[in-house]
Amino acid sequence: KQEVTQIPAALSVPEGENLVLNCSFTDSAIYNLQWFRQDPGKGLTSLLLIQSSQREQTSGRLNASLDKSSGRSTLYIAASQPGDSATYLCAVRGSWGKFQFGAGTQVVVTP
Amino acid sequence: DGGITQSPKYLFRKEGQNVTLSCEQNLNHDAMYWYRQDPGQGLRLIYYSQIVNDFQKGDIAEGYSVSREKKESFPLTVTSAQKNPTAFYLCASTTGTGESDTQYFGPGTRLTVL
Repeated sequence: KQEVTQIPAALSVPEGENLVLNCSFTDSAIYNLQWFRQDPGKGLTSLLLIQSSQREQTSGRLNASLDKSSGRSTLYIAASQPGDSATYLCAVRGSWGKFQFGAGTQVVVTP
Repeated sequence: DGGITQSPKYLFRKEGQNVTLSCEQNLNHDAMYWYRQDPGQGLRLIYYSQIVNDFQKGDIAEGYSVSREKKESFPLTVTSAQKNPTAFYLCASTTGTGESDTQYFGPGTRLTVL
């Protein structure tokens, strides 16, 4: 069974510092990996999707990498801002259209 | 605007009651999902449907039921058999197209047992 782990569970950084969030998964037979942002009491907002044939995706200050062979993905957020404070979750899509989520990393960016 | 709507935003249930959570999408997506989120935990899959009139159990289906009579709608009923239903419930949809399959989420329903 696919297991997805996100470490650390929580992270606090001063404004301007780069953020590095990690996601690991046990089964490399995935279709894609998606990163989400969740604000308290809200639904999930998609940030980036990396297809299994891709190595990375970029959107503005966000960059996500994927290494299927080692079962890892990393989300980089450059020059963090207080508005980046949220919980970040990763999810992998396996067979049969099912997705497996990590528990998330709660990020606080202090002014 | 295309998207996913969930209602109500907050729901209170008494012991022994069944309640139904609504999920509607106008994205023309084939696949729809229901997840449960508890504090400090990731999302856990309750049920999913890849096509109208068909659905499959997820990892925690006991005490829940669903229907998929229309492409746009995927309601979730929390039955009295679900002993610990207090949680945040999220509905999602995707195109169901393999590598580019992207999940879109609704705003969620918070269910509290009184």
